Amino acid sequence: SYELTQPPSVSVSPGQTARITCSGDALPKQYAYWYQQKPGQAPVLVIYKDSERPSGIPERFSGSSSGTTVTLTISGVQAEDEADYYCQSADSSGTYRSVVFGGGTKLTVL
Amino acid sequence: QVQLVQSGAEVKKPGASVKVSCKASGYTFTSYYMHWVRQAPGQGLEWMGIINPSGGSTSYAQKFQGRVTMTRDTSTSTVYMELSSLRSEDTAVYYCARGGSSSSATPEYFQHWGQGTLVTVSS
Repeated sequence: SYELTQPPSVSVSPGQTARITCSGDALPKQYAYWYQQKPGQAPVLVIYKDSERPSGIPERFSGSSSGTTVTLTISGVQAEDEADYYCQSADSSGTYRSVVFGGGTKLTVL
Repeated sequence: QVQLVQSGAEVKKPGASVKVSCKASGYTFTSYYMHWVRQAPGQGLEWMGIINPSGGSTSYAQKFQGRVTMTRDTSTSTVYMELSSLRSEDTAVYYCARGGSSSSATPEYFQHWGQGTLVTVSS
């Protein structure tokens, strides 16, 4: 089955830039999406279609794509950005309109 | 504004079934797919399946086929997810999440989520 691979953890100091990667063979052909999830809360969409930012999401969140890897970049990280981050894409090898999530990356703000 | 409100927490014994509801408001219910995603304690997000509220057609992740049933009631704008033959590994928070338009080939992603329903399976 199709998989998206993320690093389990990333640590940065406040004000620094955090980069979280997500790798998958189909990413050159399928959009990626990113979600932020804080403890006890539902996920929140922070990036859609590789690099678009929903309204209400701070400008410090950005997304990019290169080959089989997509990257979520958080510039000027703040303490409130500490959370789990998940990438998501279409699972073209799965059932109708199925999706797949990466394993998640825990962002720690030192 | 779009709202997805789920039913409350459940405690079930192994082998039983659970049915979780998700009531939608703030948009045309039949115009968007609805997905179910679960998250076991301390684990990541896992996609379970999709339902088209317009016609009721469904598609399930292979892992859950034969155990999950998704249905909808258009009169109340509510979707349901029933999981049978529960085992301890099914202990998780179950989320409904609104997907793409059911009338066009838009990608599936989730800008709107329910608050989650904790299902605990324990003897």
